[in-house]
Amino acid sequence: DQQVKQNSPSLSVQEGRISILNCDYTNSMFDYFLWYKKYPAEGPTFLISISSIKDKNEDGRFTVFLNKSAKHLSLHIVPSQPGDSAVYFCTGGGADGLTFGKGTHLIIQP
Amino acid sequence: NAGVTQTPKFRVLKTGQSMTLLCAQDMNHEYMYWYRQDPGMGLRLIHYSVGEGTTAKGEVPDGYNVSRLKKQNFLLGLESAAPSQTSVYFCASSGQGERTEAFFGQGTRLTVV
Repeated sequence: DQQVKQNSPSLSVQEGRISILNCDYTNSMFDYFLWYKKYPAEGPTFLISISSIKDKNEDGRFTVFLNKSAKHLSLHIVPSQPGDSAVYFCTGGGADGLTFGKGTHLIIQP
Repeated sequence: NAGVTQTPKFRVLKTGQSMTLLCAQDMNHEYMYWYRQDPGMGLRLIHYSVGEGTTAKGEVPDGYNVSRLKKQNFLLGLESAAPSQTSVYFCASSGQGERTEAFFGQGTRLTVV
């Protein structure tokens, strides 16, 4: 049973436009959510997080939205830049640590 | 500040051989984790530890053992390697009770032939 689902394996966006990455979860016990970014041959790095009691968190070009009733969260990147091309993992956090989705490969087109 | 360091970075094993992957962190973190990443599967938790001397099973623990004898180190052992264990392994650590991110090592690429 996949507790964190990222249904889009890849996403292609033009440079300067908005990138929207989506994630659904089934585990109501997650009390916070994180997005990680991963480049090839490197470990994942933390991008942004949100507590389950909030519905929005913003950090520069990155904004995460949480809709608890729909068990859905999304990451918005605006404007998208070439360096944003990477795999993005949606992650649920709780008492047993982190549960990762399968990832979405974001490709920023020039 | 090294953060999380994994050794080795690459390894090729023959089926049935054993090996230990070492993870070291210098951030005084309580929690440590071992994940494996396979194509199309994301990151799956193998084992984790919530403090020195403790270990717990994750999503895919079979075929692996772990030990946390010192707070800064978390060892992942393969007693009898199988081709299905060919993967990229990531270690991570995080603070206790904090809603903060985990920090990851650079990964170990293991091939079992």
